[in-house]
Amino acid sequence: QAVLTQPPSVSGTPGQRVTISCSGSSSNIGSNTVSWYQQLPGAAPKVLIFGNNQRASGVPDRFSGSKSGTSASLAISGLQSEDEADYYCAAWEGSMNGRGVFGSGTTVTVL
Amino acid sequence: QVQLVQSGSELKKPGASVKVSCEASGYTFTKYAINWIRQAPGQGPEWMGWISTKTGNPTYAQAFTGRFVFSLDTSVSTAYLQISSLKAEDTAVYFCAREAGGLIWHFDFWGRGTLVTVSS
Repeated sequence: QAVLTQPPSVSGTPGQRVTISCSGSSSNIGSNTVSWYQQLPGAAPKVLIFGNNQRASGVPDRFSGSKSGTSASLAISGLQSEDEADYYCAAWEGSMNGRGVFGSGTTVTVL
Repeated sequence: QVQLVQSGSELKKPGASVKVSCEASGYTFTKYAINWIRQAPGQGPEWMGWISTKTGNPTYAQAFTGRFVFSLDTSVSTAYLQISSLKAEDTAVYFCAREAGGLIWHFDFWGRGTLVTVSS
């Protein structure tokens, strides 16, 4: 059972904007930063966003992240076929002796 | 360039042990912690814990205490995950990931994963 809650799936047509939500609590998202990972089939996750809204090196600016309170969002604008993948949010929960937690994952389908 | 190269797939019987390796290159191994993440079939990632590459001190998530051991060989820039008394539910892909430096917790590089299958 994942600690952070995401919608199982979102879909859009090429060029559309889609958003993926990630809901947590005061002990994880509410007090620590959020990162987002893209996982293509059969591959390792790849960081897209860290620190809530900072794009990782080489990530297109079509991807953007935001956080408000105990929730975070990943937006993909100008959706492309190569964006079809699973997306996971992650955050640290607690303080120094805490733990890492991941979201339940969202599959993005390009129609 | 930074790379984390993991050992190949393993097929083990219940009760056996397995040791997964993660060899780092392209950076100073002892400057970044290594985390281990499990992904069961059709599931999302699950954080298992991390090991300090400076001190060798491991930290385990609650669900991964007892049968799971993180270790290092800094002479060959390699981290290891050993799982003993394997159970069918340990069947998963195990990833090592480099924890990015600085104050923002995230993983900037990942290994390609090692599939461990536990079956009689």
